[in-house]
Amino acid sequence: DAKTTQPPSMDCAEGRAANLPCNHSTISGNEYVYWYRQIHSQGPQYIIHGLKNNETNEMASLIITEDRKSSTLILPHATLRDTAVYYCIVRPGTTGGTSYGKLTFGQGTILTVHP
Amino acid sequence: DTGVSQDPRHKITKRGQNVTFRCDPISEHNRLYWYRQTLGQGPEFLTYFQNEAQLEKSRLLSDRFSAERPKGSFSTLEIQRTEQGDSAMYLCASSFKRDRRSSYEQYFGPGTRLTVT
Repeated sequence: DAKTTQPPSMDCAEGRAANLPCNHSTISGNEYVYWYRQIHSQGPQYIIHGLKNNETNEMASLIITEDRKSSTLILPHATLRDTAVYYCIVRPGTTGGTSYGKLTFGQGTILTVHP
Repeated sequence: DTGVSQDPRHKITKRGQNVTFRCDPISEHNRLYWYRQTLGQGPEFLTYFQNEAQLEKSRLLSDRFSAERPKGSFSTLEIQRTEQGDSAMYLCASSFKRDRRSSYEQYFGPGTRLTVT
């Protein structure tokens, strides 16, 4: 699986947009970009994923550059409850085989949302 | 609550003892995963099942570790002869594989925190 690089920590003011970057310069054509977050003492929570196009759901937006070598997770109006570790993960799509199930987590970005 | 559940939530054991953890996935999810997380690190993959078949095991899963999913529903993870280095959060996740082209997310349980003294 391609390796990802994220800043170790970021701060954001409550109510403002949080933009979390991720570099994945070795991503290959069939690999998706996934984002998960982990609030303290809880299991990771799926946020969003994408292949090429930008994606949006009720939690966040995912912007993937045209060359797919980097992406940005956007939390449009951060709240205190968004304080968590955010993980950017690259993994193959489910095109068969048995090794596409696992997620390979890095150390993620600790996002702290301030009042 | 229809999420992934894990039992127990916390376990303290003495070195050398055996421990067993249970994971109940979301109903009808056919894939089940085990991960381990130590302090300050992201979760590390241990093993996963599709239905009752164990399809992949990490090199982290030493011969003291064994996982089962006998009827394709709940799963157990057993650690024999525990060592202090086994102290960690053990996370279970489940997902549903629809078809060869679909992509799917994993839903995680709250984890079992193991402390080996």
